[in-house]
Amino acid sequence: KAGVTQTPRYLIKTRGQQVTLSCSPISGHRSVSWYQQTPGQGLQFLFEYFSETQRNKGNFPGRFSGRQFSNSRSEMNVSTLELGDSALYLCASSALWGEAFFGQGTRLTVV
Amino acid sequence: GQQLNQSPQSMFIQEGEDVSMNCTSSSIFNTWLWYKQDPGEGPVLLIALYKAGELTSNGRLTAQFGITRKDSFLNISASIPSDVGIYFCAGQNNTGTASKLTFGTGTRLQVTL
Repeated sequence: KAGVTQTPRYLIKTRGQQVTLSCSPISGHRSVSWYQQTPGQGLQFLFEYFSETQRNKGNFPGRFSGRQFSNSRSEMNVSTLELGDSALYLCASSALWGEAFFGQGTRLTVV
Repeated sequence: GQQLNQSPQSMFIQEGEDVSMNCTSSSIFNTWLWYKQDPGEGPVLLIALYKAGELTSNGRLTAQFGITRKDSFLNISASIPSDVGIYFCAGQNNTGTASKLTFGTGTRLQVTL
């Protein structure tokens, strides 16, 4: 069974730009969550989607948004990038009540 | 954002030694998970615990769900070089429609030959 796939693996953007990251969950998993990992703040929950609906949202500004498609694939978008948005962005998928399995992440660098 | 208290922050041990780390929270969780992360990669699930007091093993790894539901412990026996990495605990509450993870601050494990 294929794992969680995130694309791209690495990304360099300029301040003020926007970025879209993609996540394909494990086949059959309908829940997708996004996390931001930085050296200072550790792993922080961004949001979770289930059946195309956002079920939960972390404490991040409105510049961070996401969506989920009917095939459970998910995207997250960050608008008006700031230097502090540089991080490893991780996507996790799970069955309804199951454990979360993570992808390899997208390393975003904002310059 | 909230992070769980995880200790120790880092450990330097010799190959063959046993390792213990723990995670504490000010709030209750109904699931505890332990992950290992290698540099530049995503966390890999090691063990999941679902019941207070539960003791679960996965090879050389043993984890326990604390009776108070506010803590968890991970032990690694007879460490080997490939155990090197950062270990994270995570608490989860599947309350109805929400299932976000709250992560610990991490324990960095280094193994010397």
